[in-house]
Parts: sequence; C-alpha cells; structure tokens
Amino acid sequence: GNSVTQMEGPVTLSEEAFLTINCTYTATGYPSLFWYVQYPGEGLQLLLKATKADDKGSNKGFEATYRKETTSFHLEKGSVQVSDSAVYFCALGWYNQGGKLIFGQGTELSVKP
Amino acid sequence: GAVVSQHPSWVICKSGTSVKIECRSLDFQATTMFWYRQFPKQSLMLMATSNEGSKATYEQGVEKDKFLINHASLTLSTLTVTSAHPEDSSFYICSARGPIDTEAFFGQGTRLTVV
Repeated sequence: GNSVTQMEGPVTLSEEAFLTINCTYTATGYPSLFWYVQYPGEGLQLLLKATKADDKGSNKGFEATYRKETTSFHLEKGSVQVSDSAVYFCALGWYNQGGKLIFGQGTELSVKP
Repeated sequence: GAVVSQHPSWVICKSGTSVKIECRSLDFQATTMFWYRQFPKQSLMLMATSNEGSKATYEQGVEKDKFLINHASLTLSTLTVTSAHPEDSSFYICSARGPIDTEAFFGQGTRLTVV
C-alpha cells in the first residue's frame, strides 16, 4: 500500500545548525510530495512541494528534492533558527484523485538558542 | 494564504454523548473538505472526503454511522462524533480546497477528550 515514513523525533538542534529530516515513501503511480509544518497551537501549513521526479521544492530556506530512485523526499535547511521549532510532516498525494493526502507520523524539531 | 477555521479547539464530553466539530473556510469556497484523525505521536489518518452537496466518502475502516459528516455549504463542513467513547479521544483536523486549487488548507485542529 501507499505509505510515508519519517525519521523519529524529537530532533534537538542548536541555532544555525544544519537540519535534515528524512522521509521515504511507498506509492503506486506518480504522487506529488509535500512537507507541512505545524507550529504550536496552529494548523498545518504547506512548507514546500514537488510534483515530479527530480523536482526541488524550496521555501523559507528549506528545500527537498523528489528522488524517485531512492523513493525519498528529505527535508533540509542549512541554518535553523529558534523560530523553526515545530512539527514537520511529510506527505504524498494525487491531486487527480481529489487531493487526499497520506502523512508520515511527523517529526518534532526543537531548536535551542 | 486561505484561512480555515475549526471550532472548537478542544472539547471534553461524557461517554455516550455526541460532539459536533465545525470546519469553515473563511475566505474561499471549499468544494472539497477532508477530515483527518491524529493519535499521539502518529500520522494524520484520513477519515473521509466530503464534496459540497454530496455524501461523504469514508476511508476503509471508518464507521460512517459513528462519524457523521455534513458539507451542506461551500464554506462549512461538520463532523459529528456520535455516542462518543473514550477510544474516540483524539485530535481531529480538517482541510479544505477550492475547485481549482492544488493546495488544501488546514484548520488548527480539535482536541476531543471523552471521559
């Protein structure tokens, strides 16, 4: 079946450290891939997305590349800030199937000053 | 971006009672709304998809008589948990998208505790 697996959290980093959150997926067909972020007390926000193999999504210094050969969509940021502390969700979906999303379990990131 | 509002943010109810959760799109017409459920430290699991004016489509394993979904207007969908039990305690999140949008916008979620 279709699924998304993320690295377990919590991930604790110091400010300005490099961030990688691993995400791998299993899917039939050619899904789009997404990263969502959930700040404390708020809803999920789309952080970035990629719709086909080798696409790179980027936003707010975060980036992820759709790797079909390794079925991965790892999230990276070169220098994290305290304000990046949140829960990050990797997801896949097919918009020609109504927009349903399949989520990973989420990875909590805590950035210390 | 577009705003989706869920109400209430949290609710505590007694076992056997019913609880209604509202999901509103505040500044766009949501032709499709999705309801997810999230257990602690776990994924968001899609429960059902609702299109305005149509019956909701439930995912496998979700009891449609237990989780009643209504999407009577382009800005409002409701999820009613009927005869709630402690095992229904969870975090419920809705999302909404417009007719041509490729992105779904999420509400802030509702924490349901059944005692």
